[in-house]
Amino acid sequence: EADIYQTPRYLVIGTGKKITLECSQTMGHDKMYWYQQDPGMELHLIHYSYGVNSTEKGDLSSESTVSRIRTEHFPLTLESARPSHTSQYLCASSVRESNNSPLHFGNGTRLTVT
Amino acid sequence: GDSVTQMEGPVTLSEEAFLTINCTYTATGYPSLFWYVQYPGEGLQLLLKATKADDKGSNKGFEATYRKETTSFHLEKGSVQVSDSAVYFCALSDVAGGGADGLTFGKGTHLIIQP
Repeated sequence: EADIYQTPRYLVIGTGKKITLECSQTMGHDKMYWYQQDPGMELHLIHYSYGVNSTEKGDLSSESTVSRIRTEHFPLTLESARPSHTSQYLCASSVRESNNSPLHFGNGTRLTVT
Repeated sequence: GDSVTQMEGPVTLSEEAFLTINCTYTATGYPSLFWYVQYPGEGLQLLLKATKADDKGSNKGFEATYRKETTSFHLEKGSVQVSDSAVYFCALSDVAGGGADGLTFGKGTHLIIQP
């Protein structure tokens, strides 16, 4: 079982609030990812990181930001939440090697912005 | 760019039926192929993978064969159980394809098994 943790599991907040979604992994993986999963289940890569101090934007444009100060921690921040940010956010990690390395996923954070 | 196309759901079957979920892909390089499963309220879990042509990935009674000539990676199981009810994602990883890192996922297929 993969050791990757996301908190909170569920979050309901009002428009305009600043929020941070936490993601931590204990596997020592260099690569970490954030995916946004819409109600139709489709997954969209919004951020990724190759290691400490590395952050890159994914395929889907997002108003969120990420940081990678420590290998095990990859938080995602929304400065001013809006209803359009309502979604499930999945964090994942993998080892830094060839393209056959699988991703290990957390259980996700379901965000609702009212 | 790279893409994955899988059959749309929901797919509803009776227990012990044979399962096929179709998946085809387009990629510029030589991708690795994966099937992930997502149970209700959880994240995705790796089900099986194949890294080169003609490889067969298998796990928990599921299997899929990497077919380069048809660019396909169809998921099969001989006898499904109620506990197999979940959403299944086909995915590829193509480092040579450029673009953002990570996996390219299909849209997911919701499988419902009725007792």
